[in-house]
Amino acid sequence: ETGVTQSPTHLIKTRGQQVTLRCSSQSGHNTVSWYQQALGQGPQFIFQYYREEENGRGNFPPRFSGLQFPNYSSELNVNALELDDSALYLCASSLDLQETQYFGPGTRLLVL
Amino acid sequence: QQQVKQSPQSLIVQKGGIPIINCAYENTAFDYFPWYQQFPGKGPALLIAIRPDVSEKKEGRFTISFNKSAKQFSLHIMDSQPGDSATYFCAASKSYNTDKLIFGTGTRLQVFP
Repeated sequence: ETGVTQSPTHLIKTRGQQVTLRCSSQSGHNTVSWYQQALGQGPQFIFQYYREEENGRGNFPPRFSGLQFPNYSSELNVNALELDDSALYLCASSLDLQETQYFGPGTRLLVL
Repeated sequence: QQQVKQSPQSLIVQKGGIPIINCAYENTAFDYFPWYQQFPGKGPALLIAIRPDVSEKKEGRFTISFNKSAKQFSLHIMDSQPGDSATYFCAASKSYNTDKLIFGTGTRLQVFP
């Protein structure tokens, strides 16, 4: 186990709704990255937070937004959910932007 | 330039065999190449990683071979076991500018007794 926790483990929403996913980073880690993993695919980078500031963003629309708190935990918010947003959402933590990232177990989101 | 291409998509070997998974990248700025193992319903777990200054790295039964000129790297699993059955992802990134890991599409490995 990496020490990275995510909640909830599973979530079902309907199209158009909004969702908030949560991540607690490994103790001492100040960098959190979020990834979307569609079924049968590799994870796709959404964005990264370092010391409460966004530090890089992948090719995702603005309805994907995030936040990092002073204790370095993080949230991923997705507005106006679409069917294609159904995926496993992973967060990964690291220390000081180092490349070694440790992943949590993910949140499985199903949009109906 | 940002893609990492991984093959094969799936692999079946018998216990004790040596499965080999290959990846190729385009962006020469990449300088960190990890491999992740993912079991169903779990997040990816870091297995082993390499930088371009070495051509091979071993950790236990896992070996990465790296060919900088060909922009390719591969994972070898020695003496494979049924417990190694999982999906394996290669990835690449630029160290310390690490906006993101670029992942391959994954290889599903099945090891039969």
